[in-house]
Amino acid sequence: DTGVSQNPRHKITKRGQNVTFRCDPISEHNRLYWYRQTLGQGPEFLTYFQNEAQLEKSRLLSDRFSAERPKGSFSTLEIQRTEQGDSAMYLCASSSSGTPYEQYFGPGTRLTVT
Amino acid sequence: AQSVTQPDIHITVSEGASLELRCNYSYGATPYLFWYVQSPGQGLQLLLKYFSGDTLVQGIKGFEAEFKRSQSSFNLRKPSVHWSDAAEYFCAVGSIKAAGNKLTFGGGTRVLVKP
Repeated sequence: DTGVSQNPRHKITKRGQNVTFRCDPISEHNRLYWYRQTLGQGPEFLTYFQNEAQLEKSRLLSDRFSAERPKGSFSTLEIQRTEQGDSAMYLCASSSSGTPYEQYFGPGTRLTVT
Repeated sequence: AQSVTQPDIHITVSEGASLELRCNYSYGATPYLFWYVQSPGQGLQLLLKYFSGDTLVQGIKGFEAEFKRSQSSFNLRKPSVHWSDAAEYFCAVGSIKAAGNKLTFGGGTRVLVKP
C-alpha cells in the first residue's frame, strides 16, 4: 500500500491557462475527496466521489472546476481559465465506505497562478 | 452548519514541555472529531479520532485528546514534546448527516518547538 499519491506536486501557470491535477487513491478505497487549502487556512471540502459517481460538490467549486473519476480509481481535477485566486494547495483524500471518516490524505498539489 | 475554531494560530513550546492545543466546535448533535497533523511538504496525517464512548482518546505519536460535550471542546495534549512535533495541527469535525461524511476543518495551529 503506497498511500494516496498526487501529481504534479507543484504547478505554476499563467492566469487564463487550464490545469489538470491527478490523484491516485489507496487501491481498495471507493471514496475519493478533493479539498482546497489556502495559505494559513484549514482544508475546505470541494467534492467527493463514491466509485465513479460524483455525489456532492461544494459552492466553492465554480463552473471553471471539473472533477472526474472515470473508472472509480484515479481522479482528475481540472481548472479552466485559472485566476490568481485559484492559487492554493489542492488535497486529495480517500476512504472506504465502511470507515468513511478515516480519510487518508495525499501530499497535495500546490498551484501558483501568476 | 458545523464549524470548528482553533483559537491559537501559533504556539511556541520548549522541547520536553507539555503541549495543549485548543479546539471548539459547533454542531447540533454529537460530532465525530479528529486531529490531523501536517508537516511541511506533507499531507495531513490522522493523529486520533473520537466517535463515541470514552471521552479521552489516545492517538499516535504520544498524543491524546479529551472530548468535553459541555464545553464543545476537543483539546489535544502531549505530555512532553519532541522537536519533531513542530508542525501545523488541524482539528476537524465530521457529521453523519453530511453527505459523503466530509470533514470541516479549523484554521490550524502552528507549533514551534524551541530547543
